[in-house]
Formats: sequence, structure tokens, C-alpha cells
Amino acid sequence: DTAVSQTPKYLVTQMGNDKSIKCEQNLGHDTMYWYKQDSKKFLKIMFSYNNKELIINETVPNRFSPKSPDKAHLNLHINSLELGDSAVYFCASSLGTSGSKKLYEQYFGPGTRLTVT
Amino acid sequence: DQQVKQNSPSLSVQEGRISILNCDYTNSMFDYFLWYKKYPAEGPTFLISISSIKDKNEDGRFTVFLNKSAKHLSLHIVPSQPGDSAVYFCAAGIDNTDKLIFGTGTRLQVFP
Repeated sequence: DTAVSQTPKYLVTQMGNDKSIKCEQNLGHDTMYWYKQDSKKFLKIMFSYNNKELIINETVPNRFSPKSPDKAHLNLHINSLELGDSAVYFCASSLGTSGSKKLYEQYFGPGTRLTVT
Repeated sequence: DQQVKQNSPSLSVQEGRISILNCDYTNSMFDYFLWYKKYPAEGPTFLISISSIKDKNEDGRFTVFLNKSAKHLSLHIVPSQPGDSAVYFCAAGIDNTDKLIFGTGTRLQVFP
């Protein structure tokens, strides 16, 4: 029973196209994230949402637009794809560190390897 | 500006011995630290965490030590097993921000 799932696992597309990656968590968590792991293996946060509200937006180009239809889903839409967007994108979720119950750990999905040609 | 650093890209240890993975950080505002393990083609898996008010946390074969004055933490795995072979990331965060800063990872190989 997968806790954090992402689709698709692999995505190959051409420059200029628009694509989406979907993420779902069944852990009942309030906070969800998108991370990018580039070719140098740096894992960097892009966005976080808490109960459908954008909390963190890390200097990510406007071509990237997250959408959270409900707190169990956080999708990532990318417009006008560029070669530099090639990376592995990870979705994650957590209970969050604000509020009375704090659990720091974030749970990650399996990743989506995006290749832009 | 890399706030969390893992200076050893790789480590090779014999099965049964202790593995020690190191992590240094620069931001004294960090309140909590975590270690993740990652297998190829999978997402990072949470291993163990430690709050800045503690200097040690233990969970089975895994122990994390925190030295705040040196801004250094380490993960000890004992005894090491071949299944521990993976990339290990340390991460740090500031309370009430939900934002984790990851190190670049250390590839651990445990050989028989």
C-alpha cells in the first residue's frame, strides 16, 4: 500500500512542451512538497503546500506551477520545458512542524525522472 | 551557499564493522536533523532524526550524534550489513518552517 505515489515514473519529452507530474499521499499528512534532484545529486526543495495553501516557493521559474486540489494531492505542471529541467522530481509529505504535534520527517515518493530532449 | 555538507562522497566498510557517516552544517538556526537512505530509482527513506536539544538518538543499529558547538553530526551504523549499501543524506531544518536542507549524500558500500 504505497504511502506517497507519483506518476509517471519516467517522462521523456521535447523542449517547449508542457507536462504534468501527479502526486498523491494516503498518510493523512497536511503538508506536501516538491523537490528537484539535479545531475549533481543536489536535492532541493521547490514548493510546499499546507492544506492546499502554498507555504514555500523557492526561486523557481514561473514555468513551474504547483496545484493542490486537496490536501492529499499535489501536482506539478511545467510549461515550455527546457533542457535544464531534466532531473528527478520527488514529491514528499509530512505532518509538518507547526502546531502541537511535531514530526519532522518527510516521506518521499519514488521520483519522476524527467528527460527533456 | 551549501548550508549542509557531506564531505565524503563515498565510504566502503566491511560487513559487521561500524559505518560512520559525517555531516557538517553552517546555520546555527537549525533545530532538527535527519538522516535518509536512498536506493537507486527510489525516493529517500527516513532513517532517524535528532532534535537540537539532544546530543544522541539511537534506533536499533542506527545512532545519530550531534555536536552543536562543532556544527557536526554523524550517523553510526553497527553492525553494518550489505543491505545498508545505499546513498545516505543528512538534512536539517528550522522549527515551524517545514523546509529541509539536504546534504549532497555519501554513498556507502558494505562488502562481505
